[in-house]
This record gives sequence, structure tokens and C-alpha cells, in this order.
Amino acid sequence: DAGVIQSPRHEVTEMGQEVTLRCKPISGHNSLFWYRQTMMRGLELLIYFNNNVPIDDSGMPEDRFSAKMPNASFSTLKIQPSEPRDSAVYFCASSFGDYMNTEAFFGQGTRLTVV
Amino acid sequence: DAKTTQPTSMDCAEGRAANLPCNHSTISGNEYVYWYRQIHSQGPQYIIHGLKNNETNEMASLIITEDRKSSTLILPHATLRDTAVYYCIVRVAYAGNNRKLIWGLGTSLAVNP
Repeated sequence: DAGVIQSPRHEVTEMGQEVTLRCKPISGHNSLFWYRQTMMRGLELLIYFNNNVPIDDSGMPEDRFSAKMPNASFSTLKIQPSEPRDSAVYFCASSFGDYMNTEAFFGQGTRLTVV
Repeated sequence: DAKTTQPTSMDCAEGRAANLPCNHSTISGNEYVYWYRQIHSQGPQYIIHGLKNNETNEMASLIITEDRKSSTLILPHATLRDTAVYYCIVRVAYAGNNRKLIWGLGTSLAVNP
């Protein structure tokens, strides 16, 4: 298995533009997570899907952020409009079954720079 | 919410055991302790987790004190490739089925030749 696949690996965009980050979880996994990592705040969970349904989106910063999971093999995280403070590394992770007792597999991340 | 406290950084000689401590004094009885690590520019990688008993796998050992207020991750023979940030995390349980891991800033482990 190729693991969790994220695209793009790097994204540079201008303030105000729309940004879409993509994630393909590991086949057979039914939980998917989007994280954001910055030097100041460390790793923060943005949203958690289980069986394609958003379960916990309390970490989504504001209305400019939205996430979708139209099927078990694909998810997107969209930022519109983007701002310089959104610059961070965004990770997608997936796991199987109950997240409490199973490990999460992380992708390589998307490094987003908003100028 | 249970939180964890870890040293900011540690050093270890290659080939020696690396012992990474973690305090979680407010942990609840049904909360697990997880360890992940993050090698530079990569996504976090699961290492091990436990509830009460000590655990061992091919990567590491996890020693949890009897009162569960602290734990130690042991890398028995550290290599240069073990240089990474190590996160000790306590799983927080919400009401219902919502759960998530609370990530701190971790311990930056440097394995020296």
C-alpha cells in the first residue's frame, strides 16, 4: 500500500485566493483526520471523519475552512479566502476502526505558504 | 482534559538506550497513553500505546507507572535515524463517540554518533 497520499506537497498562493488540499486515505480505513502544524501551536486536529461523515469539526478555525469527504477514498480541505496566517503544514491521517485503540497513519503533508 | 509534560529536548549516544519520560498526572482511568514521533519534514509515525501494562513492540517499549501518572518510552538501541520529535499523548474521551488526541510540543531527541 502506498500509504496516505496528499497533494500537492507544496503550495504557494496569494492572499485571498482559494486553496484546495487533497487526501487519499489508506484503502479500507474508515476514519480520516485533517491536522495543521505550525511552530507556534504544534499539531492541531482540524476535523475528523468516520465512515465519510464529519464527526468532530470543532478544530476548524473559522468559516473560511471547509472539508469534504465525498467517498471513502478521497477528502478535500478548502480554504477560501486564504490568509497569510493560514501558512502551515497540513497533514491528513487515516485509521481503521475505533480511533482510540488503533494507530493513525499520516501522509507526508502539504506545506502551504500564503503570501 | 488530561495533558502531558515532556522535556523539550534530550540527547542520546548511538547504540545506547534512549529513555523519554512523560508526565500525565491528570490522566483518567480509561485514557490511553500514545507515543508518536515525527522525523523532520515527515508526517507523525505511530510508535506504541498502552493503558496500564507495560507494552513492547519491534520499535520500542512503554513503561507506565502503577499510578499511571507518568510513563517512559524506551528505544533500546538508538540509531541516528531515531533522531526526531517524540510526542506523548493522552487520548481524551468526549461524551458520546467523539474522541481526539491532544498533541503537545514533544521532546526533540538527538541521537549522536
